[in-house]
Amino acid sequence: AQTVTQSQPEMSVQEAETVTLSCTYDTSESDYYLFWYKQPPSRQMILVIRQEAYKQQNATENRFSVNFQKAAKSFSLKISDSQLGDAAMYFCAYRGWTDMRFGAGTRLTVKP
Amino acid sequence: DTAVSQTPKYLVTQMGNDKSIKCEQNLGHDTMYWYKQDSKKFLKIMFSYNNKELIINETVPNRFSPKSPDKAHLNLHINSLELGDSAVYFCASSPRTRETQYFGPGTRLLVL
Repeated sequence: AQTVTQSQPEMSVQEAETVTLSCTYDTSESDYYLFWYKQPPSRQMILVIRQEAYKQQNATENRFSVNFQKAAKSFSLKISDSQLGDAAMYFCAYRGWTDMRFGAGTRLTVKP
Repeated sequence: DTAVSQTPKYLVTQMGNDKSIKCEQNLGHDTMYWYKQDSKKFLKIMFSYNNKELIINETVPNRFSPKSPDKAHLNLHINSLELGDSAVYFCASSPRTRETQYFGPGTRLLVL
């Protein structure tokens, strides 16, 4: 089974600063999808960003961007100009052909 | 309009009871999922259906049985509830099997 590892249980960032959340995964597949989901205190899971493994270009979505290193099986999330509303649990997720795995999550705190 | 809805939002019940959680999506998606999120926020997939066909069936006790009457609905029935079943259960849907998932608000189940 594929595993997804988020090595930072908690992270903290000052408002307006930049923070990077780490994610590594294990797979023998070459065609898969990677996601970052956000879960604020409201409990609702929301997609932040998605990356197809066959695409070399890193995905970006406004202040959110990823650093996808396929050979290293690394998929980090960079949040620029952090805002108070970014405070949440962030989950990295892997989707293969028959497998769906989430990391254990990183709790992000944003300090005003 | 709610895209993915779950009922009930909260469920408190006694050990040994049987209960169901309903999920409906109005997005026209082909694929639906059930997840369990434990008290440490760990999110684990339980089942996935594509066009009413079971495609992911993780190792969960057979007391849990999904039922998909049509593409828009995926219900979760749990027999003989145990204390360890206490968790938040999320339903999700995606346009196709490996695309972005849209999550419901979750159902918090407490077994006493």
